Amino acid sequence: DAGITQSPRHKVTETGTPVTLRCHQTENHRYMYWYRQDPGHGLRLIHYSYGVKDTDKGEVSDGYSVSRSKTEDFLLTLESATSSQTSVYFCASHPLAGSLIEQFFGPGTRLTVL
Amino acid sequence: QKEVEQNSGPLSVPEGAIASLNCTYSDRGSQSFFWYRQYSGKSPELIMFIYSNGDKEDGRFTAQLNKASQYVSLLIRDSQPSDSATYLCAVNLVKTSYDKVIFGPGTSLSVIP
Repeated sequence: DAGITQSPRHKVTETGTPVTLRCHQTENHRYMYWYRQDPGHGLRLIHYSYGVKDTDKGEVSDGYSVSRSKTEDFLLTLESATSSQTSVYFCASHPLAGSLIEQFFGPGTRLTVL
Repeated sequence: QKEVEQNSGPLSVPEGAIASLNCTYSDRGSQSFFWYRQYSGKSPELIMFIYSNGDKEDGRFTAQLNKASQYVSLLIRDSQPSDSATYLCAVNLVKTSYDKVIFGPGTSLSVIP
């Protein structure tokens, strides 16, 4: 398995507070992604990165920002958490571009916003 | 219309039967197709990918692709209780600067002993 970790694994926070989730990979993968997973919606892309300091928005990026200052770390920040951001967040990565890519997923972070 | 659609299930099959999972996609530019398995509380893991029309077999799993109908399926033969999971269909649409992977909502499969 690819070495992808996420921290924290569980977090409970209050509405209006900023929250940062961390994804760390030891595979030297160039591409990294943040998804959220909610019942009935599958995995929805929040933001992705195609290299250090190179990031772009996914389909549900409002209220989220990301940073990637090193190959191994991809941070997701909820600028002011809302209850609608209660979800399970998955980080994923892969090394190569092209059509046949296998994404490797981290273990997930369960976030609850009260 | 959603980009990738799947029957939400739950799909229940008896042990030893064939489970059939279906997925349709809207973008004809889609180039490759993936099936991920996700156990409850765990992260998705890739079990099959296919990019050419026809069938691809790997052990008890067969992926079928029909690009004209924009349809991809996964057959699980001799279903086992350990196959009980949610199966996510994913479609890769190669854009100019990155690979855009869109996931379906998943189908929950329950294999009854």
